[in-house]
Amino acid sequence: EAQVTQNPRYLITVTGKKLTVTCSQNMNHEYMSWYRQDPGLGLRQIYYSMNVEVTDKGDVPEGYKVSRKEKRNFPLILESPSPNQTSLYFCASRLGQTDTQYFGPGTRLTVL
Amino acid sequence: GQQLNQSPQSMFIQEGEDVSMNCTSSSIFNTWLWYKQDPGEGPVLLIALYKAGELTSNGRLTAQFGITRKDSFLNISASIPSDVGIYFCAGRSHAGNNRKLIWGLGTSLAVNP
Repeated sequence: EAQVTQNPRYLITVTGKKLTVTCSQNMNHEYMSWYRQDPGLGLRQIYYSMNVEVTDKGDVPEGYKVSRKEKRNFPLILESPSPNQTSLYFCASRLGQTDTQYFGPGTRLTVL
Repeated sequence: GQQLNQSPQSMFIQEGEDVSMNCTSSSIFNTWLWYKQDPGEGPVLLIALYKAGELTSNGRLTAQFGITRKDSFLNISASIPSDVGIYFCAGRSHAGNNRKLIWGLGTSLAVNP
């Protein structure tokens, strides 16, 4: 089954404790992206990757890092999480220049 | 970042009613997309529009690309309980490498059986 998976689905952590949210897709998509979704602010892009070893900042990259060492994986790294990073995070992928983005199920992160 | 004006913010309707929602932008777009997010899941693409005036259907859903290229509309006919969710519009003004989307804030739909 074609899908985007994220782990963990839920995470409660404390300020300053490094964490990684994994994202994996099995569709051989070149393009992958991370979004955060907050009430009243909608979906905002954090980082995106056009292909392996090619990443770039989205609209709200501060406090986040990403890497794209393999085509299928695009982890999101929070080196020193802060409470304002409490949010619902979505990973998405798409094939080339198509419009159909496939979203993962989301990771709900709470930073205390 | 730039956002679209999506309305209404929320709707509560009776099963069987028709639903209309829209998005407007201050800038011209050459692509409009409509997504649905079911509770606890990620958004799923419903309809994509590429030409001004274009009218496209997907089952009971119909979306239109406004002729001014600054707005788009989504209609749902004969709503059913599984239509519950958040509907997002998204637009794109140019075909850059990122094909960056500008997102509306969503219309939350509740359907009373």
